[in-house]
Amino acid sequence: NAGVTQTPKFQVLKTGQSMTLQCAQDMNHEYMSWYRQDPGMGLRLIHYSVGAGITDQGEVPNGYNVSRSTTEDFPLRLLSAAPSQTSVYFCASSRQGAHHTQYFGPGTRLTVL
Amino acid sequence: GQQLNQSPQSMFIQEGEDVSMNCTSSSIFNTWLWYKQDPGEGPVLLIALYKAGELTSNGRLTAQFGITRKDSFLNISASIPSDVGIYFCAGPYSGGSNYKLTFGKGTLLTVNP
Repeated sequence: NAGVTQTPKFQVLKTGQSMTLQCAQDMNHEYMSWYRQDPGMGLRLIHYSVGAGITDQGEVPNGYNVSRSTTEDFPLRLLSAAPSQTSVYFCASSRQGAHHTQYFGPGTRLTVL
Repeated sequence: GQQLNQSPQSMFIQEGEDVSMNCTSSSIFNTWLWYKQDPGEGPVLLIALYKAGELTSNGRLTAQFGITRKDSFLNISASIPSDVGIYFCAGPYSGGSNYKLTFGKGTLLTVNP
């Protein structure tokens, strides 16, 4: 098992550019989520999904879109990047009935200039 | 929204020393979680607590679920260099989706060999 994988590992964007952060898991987990981590701020939930076709907003959803067409994949889209979105992004997954035991990916470090 | 307050924000200790950190909230939590993030990695679950007063150990780590349900404590005994990292407490949002976790801002632990 590869667990939770994220690509790319590093990315630099210019303000206004769009991009998609990829997240995939091979553990057949129903629940997936995206967090951002900023210095001194801990982890903040952006969006989450409890299964294919079902997504919902977290604490800081503005500026981000998600979709969940398959159990395995949960991409995060930035439609028009802003410097405030410079952060480290983590994807996580967990199985139904044990959703507190979240398995995190290695993260994507995004810089928006 | 719910906030988890962790203290201390950072600790610098000598190898072999014991470490204590805590997490408090103004809201009641039914579950307390402790995660550790190694440098450059995603967080990993260390201990989960589900009952007020519960005391759970994982090797040199011991965590307690406060009887008021508004706090939790994590102790590390006989610290070693690989204990270095950020320790996060977390808990599920109350009054809404139990899938959503809120995280504290973390305690950064540095261990001097």
